[in-house]
Amino acid sequence: DTEVTQTPKHLVMGMTNKKSLKCEQHMGHRAMYWYKQKAKKPPELMFVYSYEKLSINESVPSRFSPECPNSSLLNLHLHALQPEDSALYLCASSLAGEPNYGYTFGSGTRLTVV
Amino acid sequence: SQQGEEDPQALSIQEGENATMNCSYKTSINNLQWYRQNSGRGLVHLILIRSNEREKHSGRLRVTLDTSKKSSSLLITASRAADTASYFCATLLGGYQKVTFGIGTKLQVIP
Repeated sequence: DTEVTQTPKHLVMGMTNKKSLKCEQHMGHRAMYWYKQKAKKPPELMFVYSYEKLSINESVPSRFSPECPNSSLLNLHLHALQPEDSALYLCASSLAGEPNYGYTFGSGTRLTVV
Repeated sequence: SQQGEEDPQALSIQEGENATMNCSYKTSINNLQWYRQNSGRGLVHLILIRSNEREKHSGRLRVTLDTSKKSSSLLITASRAADTASYFCATLLGGYQKVTFGIGTKLQVIP
């Protein structure tokens, strides 16, 4: 299995809602990432997990809460989002401790906050 | 913050022609990677070149890296309509955990 699976593919949520994005991989990758991508912009790093521990938080607002319950699963919990948080949220994974190894990305969740 | 800056930002060519995209970056890197993204979906890793390498090939792709000029180029030979996508360079700084993407080149291959 050489895929990163993200669910849902599309999500529309109100500013008072709580929702979660899910990311799953079975490649044995122990580094997992959340990126945010606005239209016509490059992906921007949000969080990095290494061996199920949060190692990088790029000063992301607390309304985004990541969770890595096991080595295959990465969640992003969303609460009280703003319309400007509407974007494509991408999950990626890679071999931890292996710098010369590319990332495998999921297809993303397109989030619309209304 | 963005590390890489691609040039051109948009490129339109005929099928069968070669496409060249350039990437410049600002600080010392561990490696430089190129990714393709179709229609705003997930990114696909194309090729990685280490900082001590100067050129690398993979199928119709050729990547060069000039660390003295802090620049890289991606050449796609004999382009196909299916190559239509956005192409991003990405740099790994220092440790292995933080890959930063450039602004991207949008390539259109006209059949």
